Amino acid sequence: QVQLQESGPGLVKPSETLSLTCAVSGYSISSGYYWGWIRQPPGKGLEWIGSIYHSGSTSYNPSLKSRVTISVDTSKNQFSLKLSSVTAADTAVYYCARVYGRNFDYWGQGTLVTVSS
Amino acid sequence: DIQMTQSPSSLSASVGDRVTITCRASQSISRYLNWYQQKPGKAPNLLIYAASSLQSGVPSRFSGSGSGTDFTLTISSLQPEDFATYYCQQSYSTPPTFGGGTKVEIE
Repeated sequence: QVQLQESGPGLVKPSETLSLTCAVSGYSISSGYYWGWIRQPPGKGLEWIGSIYHSGSTSYNPSLKSRVTISVDTSKNQFSLKLSSVTAADTAVYYCARVYGRNFDYWGQGTLVTVSS
Repeated sequence: DIQMTQSPSSLSASVGDRVTITCRASQSISRYLNWYQQKPGKAPNLLIYAASSLQSGVPSRFSGSGSGTDFTLTISSLQPEDFATYYCQQSYSTPPTFGGGTKVEIE
């Protein structure tokens, strides 16, 4: 069974960089598929942030592209998200997920990141 | 970006009811449409992919239909565990985008 688990600080100061990691178990990232990040502000809908292939090829949401970096570490079977220059609008539950074909079939439990001083 | 519009935004229904949720895309997306169920405090769960294909393990009371710009998710007989928020998502083009959600509540 594929499992994903997000980790990282739950509180980030405005203008700083949000950093999260998604550890994958039950499947080797090196075997294929894209792996993505999706976020959900409290009480609101879902927004795709970006995805990465095991080779390191990335695709980002144009609305966030200037601030987002997604990387992969196949040796640790994990991938990471960095979002720079955060504001209160970046407060959200951040999910990592596997991209299967053209959908998200396995998700992490999500981690709430609050941007506040 | 392709805009996804769901209706209604919420509905009240009883156990055993037939429930239909609509999703409309701002342009044709062929059949590149997925449906997710999300319960409070949990991650979304894939129900339907490619407009009408049932994800493994999902009960057969869930079904999807549509193509082009108009899609529906139907729950044939609502069960207590189906009270949740449902989201559509287009996978036709990047960025993938989600509808605003439909909250199904107990009547």
